[in-house]
Amino acid sequence: EAGVTQFPSHSVIEKGQTVTLRCDPISGHDNLYWYRRVMGKEIKFLLHFVKESKQDESGMPNNRFLAERTGGTYSTLKVQPAELEDSGVYFCASSPGQYSGNTIYFGEGSWLTVV
Amino acid sequence: AQKVTQAQTEISVVEKEDVTLDCVYETRDTTYYLFWYKQPPSGELVFLIRRNSFDEQNEISGRYSWNFQKSTSSFNFTITASQVVDSAVYFCALSEAWGYGNKLVFGAGTILRVKS
Repeated sequence: EAGVTQFPSHSVIEKGQTVTLRCDPISGHDNLYWYRRVMGKEIKFLLHFVKESKQDESGMPNNRFLAERTGGTYSTLKVQPAELEDSGVYFCASSPGQYSGNTIYFGEGSWLTVV
Repeated sequence: AQKVTQAQTEISVVEKEDVTLDCVYETRDTTYYLFWYKQPPSGELVFLIRRNSFDEQNEISGRYSWNFQKSTSSFNFTITASQVVDSAVYFCALSEAWGYGNKLVFGAGTILRVKS
């Protein structure tokens, strides 16, 4: 069974440009999460989808970040326009069902560098 | 508010030594979940263990063991007879039991370096 896959694995863009990160969760997982770790900080929650609906987007830093999950399958996270402080690792994760104690499985992360 | 503290930023050991990674958490919830993840150089966060707040039994999985103590709000992780392949960043995380799915609060991580 395929795990959580993320694309691209690395991205270097200039300040002001746009980047779109993609996440394919484990097949059948209703829950999809985005987290990020900026340099020297903890891994922080960004948002949570249940199927195609945003369940919780309290961690989204500002309106330059837009996440979508059309059709309840893969998700995209767009940063527009990118700023230097957006550099970091963006992790996608997924978990099955409704039970809040289910294990969350993470992808390898998308490493974003804004120069 | 929830908080996870991993006070050890970096630990270096020599192969075959035992090593314990500390994790202290704060929560006002009576029901919650604790997790440990490993991040090897490849970057992926690898799930190691999940423990719910009602199960204080210690767990052993091969060379890995976990000590959960509610009285001290700690969930420490011990690697016995460490190996070079154990070198990674280890994260402790906490999740409330709420609604649909869960939201993890992570500690800052502990870098473990195992030297041969």
